[in-house]
Amino acid sequence: DVKVTQSSRYLVKRTGEKVFLECVQDMDHENMFWYRQDPGLGLRLIYFSYDVKMKEKGDIPEGYSVSREKKERFSLILESASTNQTSMYLCASSLGGLWGTEVTYEQYFGPGTRLTVT
Amino acid sequence: TQLLEQSPQFLSIQEGENLTVYCNSSSVFSSLQWYRQEPGEGPVLLVTVVTGGEVKKLKRLTFQFGDARKDSSLHITAAQPGDTGLYLCAGDSGGYQKVTFGTGTKLQVIP
Repeated sequence: DVKVTQSSRYLVKRTGEKVFLECVQDMDHENMFWYRQDPGLGLRLIYFSYDVKMKEKGDIPEGYSVSREKKERFSLILESASTNQTSMYLCASSLGGLWGTEVTYEQYFGPGTRLTVT
Repeated sequence: TQLLEQSPQFLSIQEGENLTVYCNSSSVFSSLQWYRQEPGEGPVLLVTVVTGGEVKKLKRLTFQFGDARKDSSLHITAAQPGDTGLYLCAGDSGGYQKVTFGTGTKLQVIP
């Protein structure tokens, strides 16, 4: 079974603090993703990475950065946390490329980090 | 930007009832996934459909991919309280394995 773990389930930070959210997957997946999930807005992609040291902006990258130094680990960084970054943060990974004769887009999620910025 | 609209947004039913959730788009997808998310947890993959017209069954859940690969449905027979959760569909949205998630259907099954 694919396992995706996130460093914290709940986090409370103050405005202006630098925040690190860590995600680790154990299935040698190529791709990793960071989403935030807010009521009424659904899942929105912040950043994703398709290889070590490679990253691409998603739909809402402002105020965030990411780091992928090792294949299994993908970090999300809030440089200066603000109250509008209070949200549920979800990390996901996917195999990437061809699997048999099909391209697979299946994503495997971690349990999420509920971040509150006060 | 590809959009996936799900309906209904909310559904509250009694245990034992049947229900259908819809996922619609004007875009064609090469594959479509369904996920279930319980409160406070991450989404869990239920199924992937890849062929137009395909039907897949997972116990009491039946998933269908539209012939034109633009829409999908999830039918639950004899719903149980354990089926309660947020149901999300997702379709591929370009390179690098990105997907677009639907707007979600929140299901509550009352014992």
